[in-house]
Amino acid sequence: EAGVAQSPRYKIIEKRQSVAFWCNPISGHATLYWYQQILGQGPKLLIQFQNNGVVDDSQLPKDRFSAERLKGVDSTLKIQPAKLEDSAVYLCASSLEWMVGRGDMTDTQYFGPGTRLTVL
Amino acid sequence: AQKITQTQPGMFVQEKEAVTLDCTYDTSDQSYGLFWYKQPSSGEMIFLIYQGSYDEQNATEGRYSLNFQKARKSANLVISASQLGDSAMYFCAMRDNDDMRFGAGTRLTVKP
Repeated sequence: EAGVAQSPRYKIIEKRQSVAFWCNPISGHATLYWYQQILGQGPKLLIQFQNNGVVDDSQLPKDRFSAERLKGVDSTLKIQPAKLEDSAVYLCASSLEWMVGRGDMTDTQYFGPGTRLTVL
Repeated sequence: AQKITQTQPGMFVQEKEAVTLDCTYDTSDQSYGLFWYKQPSSGEMIFLIYQGSYDEQNATEGRYSLNFQKARKSANLVISASQLGDSAMYFCAMRDNDDMRFGAGTRLTVKP
């Protein structure tokens, strides 16, 4: 079974430029997550999709970040314009499904290799 | 209040010995899940073990076991017979009705 795919693996941009990341989840996984991991910290959830609908985007800086999952499969995360503090690893994860009030193993999240973004 | 707390920034263990990584959590939900992930220097997050809030038995996966104490809201990871390849960051995470939160992590170093 193929894992979560992400591209690119590395990206270096100047501040105020835009950047996009792509993620393809494990086949059959309904739920997709984007995380931001700043060096030395745990991952922070940015957005969660269930199929092509947004479940939680409360921590997404919507003035500059956007994400979509149009056909309920792969997803893109965009930053426009980038700031220095956006330098981080952006992780994509997927799970079979998530249902409120369940908290069971179907929400075990499997992660891709991440995209390391450096903003200069 | 922090939802997930890992109080050990770094831990050392001798090869072949057991080590316990601490994790406490905070939620008012009755149904939640607890997860441990390993992140080697390559950066990928690797799922290790899961414990459901309603599971009465502690979860085990090979050399990994989860010491789940619900009343104390703790979910410590025990790694038995440590190997050099176990050197990595370890993250505890909790999924409740609100969201998925990760702790700050513990860096484990296995000494030969």
